[in-house]
Amino acid sequence: DAGITQSPRHKVTETGTPVTLRCHQTENHRYMYWYRQDPGHGLRLIHYSYGVKDTDKGEVSDGYSVSRSKTEDFLLTLESATSSQTSVYFCAISDGQGEETQYFGPGTRLLVL
Amino acid sequence: SQQGEEDPQALSIQEGENATMNCSYKTSINNLQWYRQNSGRGLVHLILIRSNEREKHSGRLRVTLDTSKKSSSLLITASRAADTASYFCATSSGYSTLTFGKGTMLLVSP
Repeated sequence: DAGITQSPRHKVTETGTPVTLRCHQTENHRYMYWYRQDPGHGLRLIHYSYGVKDTDKGEVSDGYSVSRSKTEDFLLTLESATSSQTSVYFCAISDGQGEETQYFGPGTRLLVL
Repeated sequence: SQQGEEDPQALSIQEGENATMNCSYKTSINNLQWYRQNSGRGLVHLILIRSNEREKHSGRLRVTLDTSKKSSSLLITASRAADTASYFCATSSGYSTLTFGKGTMLLVSP
C-alpha cells in the first residue's frame, strides 16, 4: 500500500464520542486526503492537505476536522460521532499537483452505535 | 456530487472474455484515471489518461477518452478470475483533488 498505514483499522464507538483516525505515510508526499466510502455513494472527499498545516475542505466535510502537524501524519477527527458517520474511511497520498496518481491506505472501518 | 459515473453498475463475464466499462463526466477535465478495488481493500491506481490523449494501453488494459462526449472506457482483455473487483473512474479538474464515480463491480467466473 505504498507506505501508507491507517490506525485503527477497525473501531466501534458510541454516538456523541470523539474519534480520531490516523494516517501515516513514509513516502514524503505533499498531498494527503481523507475519503469516506459508502454503498451507493462511491468515494467522497472529506478533507485534504497540501502541506504541513495547510488543509482544505472536500465535498462532505461537515462534522469532521483534520490536522497535519508533520508531513507524514494526517489526522481525521469526528468531534462528536453520529450514526451517519458509520463508514469505511480511506487515506490517500499524492505527490506532484495532487491530481496525479493517488495511493490509498488499507482503510478504517468505523461503526458508530 | 459525483463527476464521473460508471456504467454498467455491475458486469458478470466468463474468464477469457473481454470486459468493458464506461465512465461519463460533466465538466472539463485535466486527466481521467481508473482505479481498482478488491473487496475490503484500498483502491489501486491502474492508468491515467490526460485530456489531450485519446487512447492508452497498459498490459491487458486499454483506456480511451473522448472529450467531446465527456466519456471514457476501460477495456480489460482476456479477463481472469483475479480481475474480479470494483473499478472506479476519477477525474481531475485543476483543484488538486480527484472526484470519483460510484464504480462498476466486475465478476469474472472461472
